[in-house]
Amino acid sequence: AQSVTQPDIHITVSEGASLELRCNYSYGATPYLFWYVQSPGQGLQLLLKYFSGDTLVQGIKGFEAEFKRSQSSFNLRKPSVHWSDAAEYFCAVGAKEYGNKLVFGAGTILRVKS
Amino acid sequence: EPEVTQTPSHQVTQMGQEVILRCVPISNHLYFYWYRQILGQKVEFLVSFYNNEISEKSEIFDDQFSVERPDGSNFTLKIRSTKLEDSAMYFCASSLDASGEQFFGPGTRLTVL
Repeated sequence: AQSVTQPDIHITVSEGASLELRCNYSYGATPYLFWYVQSPGQGLQLLLKYFSGDTLVQGIKGFEAEFKRSQSSFNLRKPSVHWSDAAEYFCAVGAKEYGNKLVFGAGTILRVKS
Repeated sequence: EPEVTQTPSHQVTQMGQEVILRCVPISNHLYFYWYRQILGQKVEFLVSFYNNEISEKSEIFDDQFSVERPDGSNFTLKIRSTKLEDSAMYFCASSLDASGEQFFGPGTRLTVL
């Protein structure tokens, strides 16, 4: 079965520090991958996506993610976190072979301390 | 920039009542989806819809749920007899093609009392 794991439920970083949020997936097919961000009470905003090609993808708000097939990972990074980045981050995975549905990870809540 | 819209933003209903959640997908998109997120839990896939029929559904999507595209713009999720455990945020999404990016609406928060 397809699954997505975000091992960190909560992460706290200082403003200006670097950030890495982990995402691992288990899929029996070539995946396409997404990172979404959700502020409290809000919808899901797409940060970035990977379908094919360059494994390092750039997204909005200064975020980037790297697809590592050998590690089945798609970790999200940002070199310098801003207080406004505090939110919940979801990794999601899909594959054509499994229809169009996205399977989401449990999410990582990011807290930013000043 | 085109976006997915959902109405209402918040729906409160009594247990056993029927609710219809409405979505207007992006106009040229062909694939439509419903997901839900119970408070504090992960986002879960409910159903996908293409060419006026369900293309895939999860085990959550039982007989109390149905979807419909009643006209050229709306996409609805009906819950026939709501239960307390149906309380959740329901997200609609649409995509242009089968493996394309899914654009999510802002969600409808359903509260069943």
